[in-house]
Amino acid sequence: DIQVTQSPSSLSASVGDRITITCRASQSINDYLNWYQHKPGKAPKLLIYAASMLQSGVPSRFSGRGYGTDFTLTITNPQPEDSATYYCQQSYSAEWAFGQGTKVEIK
Amino acid sequence: EVQLVESGGGLVPPGGSLRLSCAASGFTSSSYWMHWVRQVPGKGLEWVSRTNRDGSSATYADSVRGRFTVSRDNAKNTMYLQMNSLRGEDTAIYYCAREYYGILAGHYSDIWGQGTLVTVSS
Repeated sequence: DIQVTQSPSSLSASVGDRITITCRASQSINDYLNWYQHKPGKAPKLLIYAASMLQSGVPSRFSGRGYGTDFTLTITNPQPEDSATYYCQQSYSAEWAFGQGTKVEIK
Repeated sequence: EVQLVESGGGLVPPGGSLRLSCAASGFTSSSYWMHWVRQVPGKGLEWVSRTNRDGSSATYADSVRGRFTVSRDNAKNTMYLQMNSLRGEDTAIYYCAREYYGILAGHYSDIWGQGTLVTVSS
């Protein structure tokens, strides 16, 4: 099975900062890497697909990059509504997998 | 409106069974692979299962393989998750999700339901 490992597990930032979350796959997954935002009581929301493609309607302050085994999600000038848990997900293999999640607090 | 609605959650004793449903509306579910994902309270998202368009093939996480079975009735635009031999660690919110595939876009879940809570406890 292909595992994905996320870091950090949590972080706190301020409006105007730059946040970077990393995700590492246990083997190459090309660009089959997606990012989701999840808030309590809500359905997960797709932010980035294919490592770097911004989902329609998602603010441009969110961006993703990477290929192979190493990926990043960056939030530039985060807003208070970006407080949530963020997950990477590999969709390369028949059995998908999520990272452990990164809880983000925007002060 | 494109949406997924889960139902069937509830309280079940250890060793018991439960069947969850995921009803699709606003799109033809038979055109899409579908997934089940769960979140144990206070923990992260865990991928559970994936089924192809006609329900003839499925894959499962190691933690549920042999106990859970996914199926679908495309005439009813509905997917199911039959959960047997339930354990305390299966207590979670269960979400269903649609898989989108594009040649340049890869595979991802673009539509999610709101989830249904399953509690395994005596």
